[in-house]
Amino acid sequence: KAGVTQTPRYLIKTRGQQVTLSCSPISGHRSVSWYQQTPGQGLQFLFEYFSETQRNKGNFPGRFSGRQFSNSRSEMNVSTLELGDSALYLCASIKNPGRQGAHTEAFFGQGTRLTVV
Amino acid sequence: KNEVEQSPQNLTAQEGEFITINCSYSVGISALHWLQQHPGGGIVSLFMLSSGKKKHGRLIATINIQEKHSSLHITASHPRDSAVYICAVRSRLVGTASKLTFGTGTRLQVTL
Repeated sequence: KAGVTQTPRYLIKTRGQQVTLSCSPISGHRSVSWYQQTPGQGLQFLFEYFSETQRNKGNFPGRFSGRQFSNSRSEMNVSTLELGDSALYLCASIKNPGRQGAHTEAFFGQGTRLTVV
Repeated sequence: KNEVEQSPQNLTAQEGEFITINCSYSVGISALHWLQQHPGGGIVSLFMLSSGKKKHGRLIATINIQEKHSSLHITASHPRDSAVYICAVRSRLVGTASKLTFGTGTRLQVTL
């Protein structure tokens, strides 16, 4: 069974550009969550998608957005990149989190390391 | 104060030592995860707990819901255990099922 696949693994962009990252969850998993990891802030929740709908959003500016397709693959987009957006972006897939989310294992991808110069 | 606090931040041990990493949280949770992150970034889920104790090989995780505290133990540590260990909690609030809140991590180095 294939794991969570994130592409690309590494990316270098210039300030002001925009970027799109992709996450393919484990087959049969319907929920995808995105996280940002920086040395200063650690791991922070960006947003979660379930059945093509955004269910939760973290405290990030509107430049950060995402979507989920009918096959559960998800993309996140960052527009007008800033130097501070340099980070490791991780996605996690969950089979069917349910409203309470009990007993639901999260599986993480390898991440996309974004460098903004 | 962070919702999830881990200690220690850094830990150095000699091969064979028994290691304990602690995690305290301040919110009501439906589950707590222990994660391992190696250099290069990928995260592996070690345990998911909502009560009691779980064991997998040399790893043991415990949680005390009343005290809002969890511990991760590594018995007979080995250099390949060197990694960052992260505690993460899932809120009990309805509608936040998949949102994880993370501790800052414990960097473990096991030497020969």
